Amino acid sequence: AQTVTQSQPEMSVQEAETVTLSCTYDTSESDYYLFWYKQPPSRQMILVIRQEAYKQQNATENRFSVNFQKAAKSFSLKISDSQLGDAAMYFCAYRSAWAEDKIIFGKGTRLHILP
Amino acid sequence: NAGVTQTPKFQVLKTGQSMTLQCAQDMNHEYMSWYRQDPGMGLRLIHYSVGAGITDQGEVPNGYNVSRSTTEDFPLRLLSAAPSQTSVYFCASRPTGNEKLFFGSGTQLSVL
Repeated sequence: AQTVTQSQPEMSVQEAETVTLSCTYDTSESDYYLFWYKQPPSRQMILVIRQEAYKQQNATENRFSVNFQKAAKSFSLKISDSQLGDAAMYFCAYRSAWAEDKIIFGKGTRLHILP
Repeated sequence: NAGVTQTPKFQVLKTGQSMTLQCAQDMNHEYMSWYRQDPGMGLRLIHYSVGAGITDQGEVPNGYNVSRSTTEDFPLRLLSAAPSQTSVYFCASRPTGNEKLFFGSGTQLSVL
């Protein structure tokens, strides 16, 4: 079975600085999708970024980028120029390309932004 | 477009009571699912549906029932609530072949 591990329960970063959130996963499959979701205090789940495993190029969305290392099964999220609005819980998630029915989430990393 | 709508937002139950958490989406998504979120546990899949009339169990299905009579609605039923079911519940949907999940705003459930 696939698993997703986020080893950092909480992190803090100074406003305007850069922070990296770690995520590792375990799978025997070669084709899959990886995601980062953000959950602010409003509780709403927001898709931040996604990566297709067959693409070698790292996904980027404005200040958010990933470092996808397929061989190492690592999928970290980098937030540049951190803003107060980035404070949230961040979840890493995995979905097999062949099992569309299940998305597996990590336990989350709570990110604090220090003014 | 309302997206995914969950009701109620908050609910307090006594042990043994039953209730239904409602979820509706207006995006014609085939896939719908229910997750529960507990501190330190992330989101865990309870039940999911790939279309009207089709449901299946996720990671933590015990104590919950679902049905999918229409594409729009996917209610989650607690037949006999237990304190272990105290959690935040999220409904989510997505179109077939699309990996982006659309989430509702959640239901905070407390079972005393």
